[in-house]
Amino acid sequence: GAGVSQTPSNKVTEKGKYVELRCDPISGHTALYWYRQSLGQGPEFLIYFQGTGAADDSGLPNDRFFAVRPEGSVSTLKIQRTERGDSAVYLCASSAGGGYTFGSGTRLTVV
Amino acid sequence: ILNVEQSPQSLHVQEGDSTNFTCSFPSSNFYALHWYRWETAKSPEALFVMTLNGDEKKKGRISATLNTKEGYSYLYIKGSQPEDSATYLCAYPKETSGSRLTFGEGTQLTVNP
Repeated sequence: GAGVSQTPSNKVTEKGKYVELRCDPISGHTALYWYRQSLGQGPEFLIYFQGTGAADDSGLPNDRFFAVRPEGSVSTLKIQRTERGDSAVYLCASSAGGGYTFGSGTRLTVV
Repeated sequence: ILNVEQSPQSLHVQEGDSTNFTCSFPSSNFYALHWYRWETAKSPEALFVMTLNGDEKKKGRISATLNTKEGYSYLYIKGSQPEDSATYLCAYPKETSGSRLTFGEGTQLTVNP
């Protein structure tokens, strides 16, 4: 596609539920990144894929968070047993090795 | 400086005012410094990627400078317009260009008509 697409744009879920956030990167971009922006903070790194594999997952806050990119294109960020502290904007970016192109994010609200 | 720091945190100016903000970053192992503009509910938009000490880049009314030896970058907006209202983020890759970015907390600019 022309840009990075993230769905849904907004998600409200109840505490304890499971959610999946999707990122569709620019076609041909091998690198894909997930960031999380909490209120009043800058975006914080979560995980980075190079192709299908997670090259760096050191930013995932705990084992409730998991991400996959099975075919090297679309990625899904999965959050189990959501907590109110998970409420944030989740941003995805892709890169071909130079600049980064961001999606418009998924705003997750856990109530 | 161990991470990225931006100041001020927020700024309110009148239409037509010129303004500037600061980004401070670790000066060792420098690769690049990125500036983004992020409007609510939109994608962060890349403004500049700066790599060389002394770099000065310009895009319309917005310009940026870079000092890698002392670890800071300035972003200037000349003659602010209401459409410039956004959060301005700076970020740097911790390793080579293309690796993950470390962001500052951003400067939230509001331009009043």
